[in-house]
Amino acid sequence: QKEVEQNSGPLSVPEGAIASLNCTYSDRGSQSFFWYRQYSGKSPELIMFIYSNGDKEDGRFTAQLNKASQYVSLLIRDSQPSDSATYLCAVSDGNNRLAFGKGNQVVVIP
Amino acid sequence: DVKVTQSSRYLVKRTGEKVFLECVQDMDHENMFWYRQDPGLGLRLIYFSYDVKMKEKGDIPEGYSVSREKKERFSLILESASTNQTSMYLCASSLKWLRDREQYFGPGTRLTVT
Repeated sequence: QKEVEQNSGPLSVPEGAIASLNCTYSDRGSQSFFWYRQYSGKSPELIMFIYSNGDKEDGRFTAQLNKASQYVSLLIRDSQPSDSATYLCAVSDGNNRLAFGKGNQVVVIP
Repeated sequence: DVKVTQSSRYLVKRTGEKVFLECVQDMDHENMFWYRQDPGLGLRLIYFSYDVKMKEKGDIPEGYSVSREKKERFSLILESASTNQTSMYLCASSLKWLRDREQYFGPGTRLTVT
């Protein structure tokens, strides 16, 4: 079973700071990578996807992919209280399925 | 915008009851998925479907079955509900493409089995 690891515990960041989340994956052949945000009691919503090595920016979010090291990260710049949520990393298996990490909780402190 | 809807937000059933959870998507997606989400265990795939009348077991299919008679609709069936099936159930859909695409989730059904 393909594994996606999000090991760091809850992350507390002051408002306006950068939140950094990391994710490692086991399947070297994975081609597509996604970050989802999930508010408490709600369903996951897609915030970023990345297919190629390097950085991809979308507003205050930047996804970074390093296939050689098998990790993908998410940076949230100028963190806002509304960014307080659990962030899920998801990696494709090449057969239309996604493997999800267990998530990292982010708490932005005003 | 992709819209995935689920038949109920909250559901309370008794042990042994047959339970139907329905999911409908309006974006003509080929792939549909059923997950359950439990604290500390993350999202776990129960069943998925690539096409009408087609189904594949996910990681935890025991105690569940599915039905996909129309492209837009994917149903999850609990043949005889048990207390360990109390969970948040999430339906998702995605486009079948050359590269695996993002999945869009419905709002979820919180099922309690007493």
